[in-house]
Amino acid sequence: EDQVTQSPEALRLQEGESSSLNCSYTVSGLRGLFWYRQDPGKGPEFLFTLYSAGEEKEKERLKATLTKKESFLHITAPKPEDSATYLCAVQGPSGGTSYGKLTFGQGTILTVHP
Amino acid sequence: DGGITQSPKYLFRKEGQNVTLSCEQNLNHDAMYWYRQDPGQGLRLIYYSQIVNDFQKGDIAEGYSVSREKKESFPLTVTSAQKNPTAFYLCASSIGGSGSPLHFGNGTRLTVT
Repeated sequence: EDQVTQSPEALRLQEGESSSLNCSYTVSGLRGLFWYRQDPGKGPEFLFTLYSAGEEKEKERLKATLTKKESFLHITAPKPEDSATYLCAVQGPSGGTSYGKLTFGQGTILTVHP
Repeated sequence: DGGITQSPKYLFRKEGQNVTLSCEQNLNHDAMYWYRQDPGQGLRLIYYSQIVNDFQKGDIAEGYSVSREKKESFPLTVTSAQKNPTAFYLCASSIGGSGSPLHFGNGTRLTVT
């Protein structure tokens, strides 16, 4: 069974204090690893897709990296508006259908203080 | 702007009543999904549809039903058989296929008392 574990559960940073969020996963045949940002009371907002170990993607202050066992979301010089819950999900094999099941982690709640 | 519209944002029902949550997308996506989100848990898949007039059960389909009569629409009915219906419900769509990301609506918070 596919599993996704995100750590830490919550992270409090000062504005400008860089850090990383971790997403550890087990899946038989990764088809994609996804990062989302979710604000309170809203739906998740798509950030990145990573497909293979060694791949990196960047968007403003965020950089996502991928190894065979985990992904990191690095946040450089965060601002208060980066405060949100960050979700990680992996897509495994389709098992004979064209749908590859997504398994989501529980998320990391990031709070950035001014 | 293209996107996914869920309505209503908040929904209150009495126990024993069926309720239908609306989801409409104008992204021209083939695949649509319903997820449930509870505090402290990852998103859990209720139903998904890859094409009009076809849908499959997800991990927690008991007590729920769906229809897909139009490409743009994928309504979810929460029936009285669902034991713990109070939750945040999220609809999503994707172009389908391997590695394509899901795009989510802003959810419907259902409270059943």
